[in-house]
Amino acid sequence: EDKVVQSPLSLVVHEGDTVTLNCSYEVTNFRSLLWYKQEKKAPTFLFMLTSSGIEKKSGRLSSILDKKELFSILNITATQTGDSAVYLCAVPRRGSSNTGKLIFGQGTTLQVKP
Amino acid sequence: NAGVTQTPKFQVLKTGQSMTLQCAQDMNHEYMSWYRQDPGMGLRLIHYSVGAGITDQGEVPNGYNVSRSTTEDFPLRLLSAAPSQTSVYFCASRESGGFGEQFFGPGTRLTVL
Repeated sequence: EDKVVQSPLSLVVHEGDTVTLNCSYEVTNFRSLLWYKQEKKAPTFLFMLTSSGIEKKSGRLSSILDKKELFSILNITATQTGDSAVYLCAVPRRGSSNTGKLIFGQGTTLQVKP
Repeated sequence: NAGVTQTPKFQVLKTGQSMTLQCAQDMNHEYMSWYRQDPGMGLRLIHYSVGAGITDQGEVPNGYNVSRSTTEDFPLRLLSAAPSQTSVYFCASRESGGFGEQFFGPGTRLTVL
């Protein structure tokens, strides 16, 4: 059965810390992995990863995919209170090449304290 | 572009009532989906559509109906609301081809008493 598992489920850090969020997946016909950030409302897109070993970077956030070991990590350096959110990892479902059906992990709730 | 819009933002229903959650997108996306989000469960797919006139079931379709008469609109109907349908509902759309970003609407928080 296709599944996406994130860890940890929750994390509390202080401003300035660096955090690493994990996402492991088991999906046949893997094509891509997506990271979203969700604050009080709808998820907003962060990264899409398709190739192993290539880091995607946006400011203090970066992500990398390991297709051999079937996981991705999301790093946030020099965390700020505005980084507090739920971070979601998602993978398109098997057989859903163009249907937009995503399997989501449970999410990691990050709280950054001042 | 307004992106993906949803109405209403909040709704309270009594058990057995029916209602329609509206979703519209102005990006000419072929693919649209409805998710529900419950604490500790992540996002779960209810129904999806690959284009006007075509819909299919997701992981948790029971108790919900959808239709797609136009590219822009993808309403979700609750036939007879139950307390188990208390949730936050998100509509999403993406363009055809590839495996990329889905754009989400702002969500509808539904409470069924």
